[in-house]
Amino acid sequence: GENVEQHPSTLSVQEGDSAVIKCTYSDSASNYFPWYKQELGKGPQLIIDIRSNVGEKKDQRIAVTLNKTAKHFSLHITETQPEDSAVYFCAASYQTGANNLFFGTGTRLTVIP
Amino acid sequence: DTEVTQTPKHLVMGMTNKKSLKCEQHMGHRAMYWYKQKAKKPPELMFVYSYEKLSINESVPSRFSPECPNSSLLNLHLHALQPEDSALYLCASSQDGMPPAGGYTFGSGTRLTVV
Repeated sequence: GENVEQHPSTLSVQEGDSAVIKCTYSDSASNYFPWYKQELGKGPQLIIDIRSNVGEKKDQRIAVTLNKTAKHFSLHITETQPEDSAVYFCAASYQTGANNLFFGTGTRLTVIP
Repeated sequence: DTEVTQTPKHLVMGMTNKKSLKCEQHMGHRAMYWYKQKAKKPPELMFVYSYEKLSINESVPSRFSPECPNSSLLNLHLHALQPEDSALYLCASSQDGMPPAGGYTFGSGTRLTVV
């Protein structure tokens, strides 16, 4: 099966700075890469995703880049705000008869006011 | 309606109890999922239903029994659980197709404590 590694496990940044979280995946068949934000006591919330035929996608302060050759993808958050503090999970997916998501180990982001 | 609704939000049960977790979505999604999440860990897939048929069972113990009564509902029946089964149980849904249009939508989960 797919193996997704995520770094760093914790990240602290000053408000207004940028944050970058990186993930690598193992299976070249993976073709869908979402990022989830999980706040305490809540389920994961999709914040951005990218498909394997796209190299970069941006949505306001959030961007994701994908390097298929190197099998890695990254989340970039600019102008961070305290409400960005949460655990972020990357994931990779490919069809195995039914859809399946393989999650990274998570990054706890703390934005210091 | 763009939500996945899970009930109850919290559940405490004894090791001899039988209980059920419920999940509901009205987005027309044809795939539904159960995930288990331990503290400070990523969600781990338990079961996948596609078009109301069980398509993936990730070697989950038989004390967990899923059921998909119709395309909008997903249940997880619990019996004779162990304290180590205490976790956040997440339900998710998605469109068919790979990758699914609109991605996967997660509910807020049921926080289960087995005593």
